[in-house]
Amino acid sequence: SQQGEEDPQALSIQEGENATMNCSYKTSINNLQWYRQNSGRGLVHLILIRSNEREKHSGRLRVTLDTSKKSSSLLITASRAADTASYFCAATGANSKLTFGKGITLSVRP
Amino acid sequence: NAGVMQNPRHLVRRRGQEARLRCSPMKGHSHVYWYRQLPEEGLKFMVYLQKENIIDESGMPKERFSAEFPKEGPSILRIQQVVRGDSAAYFCASSPRLADGTGELFFGEGSRLTVL
Repeated sequence: SQQGEEDPQALSIQEGENATMNCSYKTSINNLQWYRQNSGRGLVHLILIRSNEREKHSGRLRVTLDTSKKSSSLLITASRAADTASYFCAATGANSKLTFGKGITLSVRP
Repeated sequence: NAGVMQNPRHLVRRRGQEARLRCSPMKGHSHVYWYRQLPEEGLKFMVYLQKENIIDESGMPKERFSAEFPKEGPSILRIQQVVRGDSAAYFCASSPRLADGTGELFFGEGSRLTVL
């Protein structure tokens, strides 16, 4: 399976600090995506990186992909209290099915 | 353009009853996914449908669960004879499915099923 596995499971930082979250997967992928979920809400897409890309930026987000290590990282710079949420990576295989990890709970202290 | 609409948002059923969860994808999206989420856990894939076709149901329990996405109307996830272990949040997501098979999913707000 292409299941994404995130680490750490939980992360607590101070507002203004950077948050780095990691994800590993098992088999070849078409792309890897990161999503955010606020408590009690649905998931919101943050960023998608294709298998032939190594790095991508979107605002305060930076995602990297290392296909040789089957891993990705999501960096949130200059974190804000509003960034407090759960973050999930999802790997897309050839069958177009997205397989999610268990998520990382990020707490940003004001 | 309305987002993915799920209803009901909250559903309470007694053991043995049936639960029907509905999902209207975003306009123009012909691909629907259903996921289940237990408290403090990630999303577990259940089923992937296109209009009138089940593409991948590898995550669906063999019994009591079924899904459809008819030519007209919303996608339906049906759970017969519910048990307490079915209590969870059920999320629907839709996608326009790009030609190369990639593309983000757009999620609804979920339907939270509680089985008494």
